[in-house]
Amino acid sequence: EDKVVQSPLSLVVHEGDTVTLNCSYEVTNFRSLLWYKQEKKAPTFLFMLTSSGIEKKSGRLSSILDKKELFSILNITATQTGDSAVYLCAVGNAGNNRKLIWGLGTSLAVNP
Amino acid sequence: NAGVTQTPKFRVLKTGQSMTLLCAQDMNHEYMYWYRQDPGMGLRLIHYSVGEGTTAKGEVPDGYNVSRLKKQNFLLGLESAAPSQTSVYFCASSYSIGQGQETQYFGPGTRLLVL
Repeated sequence: EDKVVQSPLSLVVHEGDTVTLNCSYEVTNFRSLLWYKQEKKAPTFLFMLTSSGIEKKSGRLSSILDKKELFSILNITATQTGDSAVYLCAVGNAGNNRKLIWGLGTSLAVNP
Repeated sequence: NAGVTQTPKFRVLKTGQSMTLLCAQDMNHEYMYWYRQDPGMGLRLIHYSVGEGTTAKGEVPDGYNVSRLKKQNFLLGLESAAPSQTSVYFCASSYSIGQGQETQYFGPGTRLLVL
């Protein structure tokens, strides 16, 4: 059965810290891995990764995929209170009518 | 460009009542999805549509029906609401071809409470 596992489930840090969120997957016919940020509303898209070893970067956020070891990490440097959210990882299956397999998310709290 | 919109934002139902949740998107996306999100359960796919006039079951379809009569709209119906359907419902949409076709764009959600 396809699955996506995120760790840790929750994390509390201080402003300025760097955090690393993990997403491992077991999915047949892997196509892509996506990261979303969810504050108290809808998930918003952060990154889509399809190739191993190529870092995607947006400001203080970056992400990389390892298709051999079947995982991805999301890094946030110099965290701010506005980074507090649930970060969701999802994996796309090539033959699956564009359905995504979702992880349960990592809840990040950044304290001032 | 409103993106994905959902109505209503919040609703309280009594057990056995029916209702329809409306999702609309103005991005000309082919694919649309209905999810429910519950604490500790993550996002679970209820139904989805790969184009106007087509629908398919997702992971948790029981108790729900959907229709996609127009490309921009995707309706989720509860015929006889149950307390187990208390949840936050999200609609999402995505392109069918080209780069980023898996990227789903979400509506703001509908919070439903069934008493």
